[in-house]
Amino acid sequence: GAVVSQHPSRVICKSGTSVKIECRSLDFQATTMFWYRQFPKQSLMLMATSNEGSKATYEQGVEKDKFLINHASLTLSTLTVTSAHPEDSSFYICSGQGYNEQFFGPGTRLTVL
Amino acid sequence: KQEVTQIPAALSVPEGENLVLNCSFTDSAIYNLQWFRQDPGKGLTSLLLIQSSQREQTSGRLNASLDKSSGRSTLYIAASQPGDSATYLCAVSQDNFNKFYFGSGTKLNVKP
Repeated sequence: GAVVSQHPSRVICKSGTSVKIECRSLDFQATTMFWYRQFPKQSLMLMATSNEGSKATYEQGVEKDKFLINHASLTLSTLTVTSAHPEDSSFYICSGQGYNEQFFGPGTRLTVL
Repeated sequence: KQEVTQIPAALSVPEGENLVLNCSFTDSAIYNLQWFRQDPGKGLTSLLLIQSSQREQTSGRLNASLDKSSGRSTLYIAASQPGDSATYLCAVSQDNFNKFYFGSGTKLNVKP
């Protein structure tokens, strides 16, 4: 199947700093990419949908000014957590849509101290 | 808003048993349903994808069924193995843009 990578796999940062997470589709072009987060012992919750070259669509309750999404090319989307706080600590997973199916990245574990 | 529920939340079985995981969803107007496996601290591995027009899909020891009208899906695992131990997630999408709504998962432990 198609492969989606994420970088970094794990990041620890201090409260108030910004963190950028990259999501790449390695062997297909993803017109649409999705960002999810998963809190401990909970399921994945969709945060936003991003289409290449346009603004992301955020789910209800997700602050668009805090979670900046850029989808500048068909193989790369980035999520920037601005002014991160401990409550933003979570597992962030991206996915890319290709071949009429969604392929998920391995996830990024963010810990905010 | 679509809500997806998975029962049981956790399941422990001895190796070799056949087992069934359940998934239900509140809005039957789905585009497709997918079962995933998630290992601790890892991303998702797709197991089976069922389009809304299909009733079931099979892959090896796995069989997934879909009853759209009743809002239910089951994942059947035959002859379970310790390597099957993981969390199994059910997700539904309601359009071809593949925006998924996930269940909370069933954590499976297969004991040797």
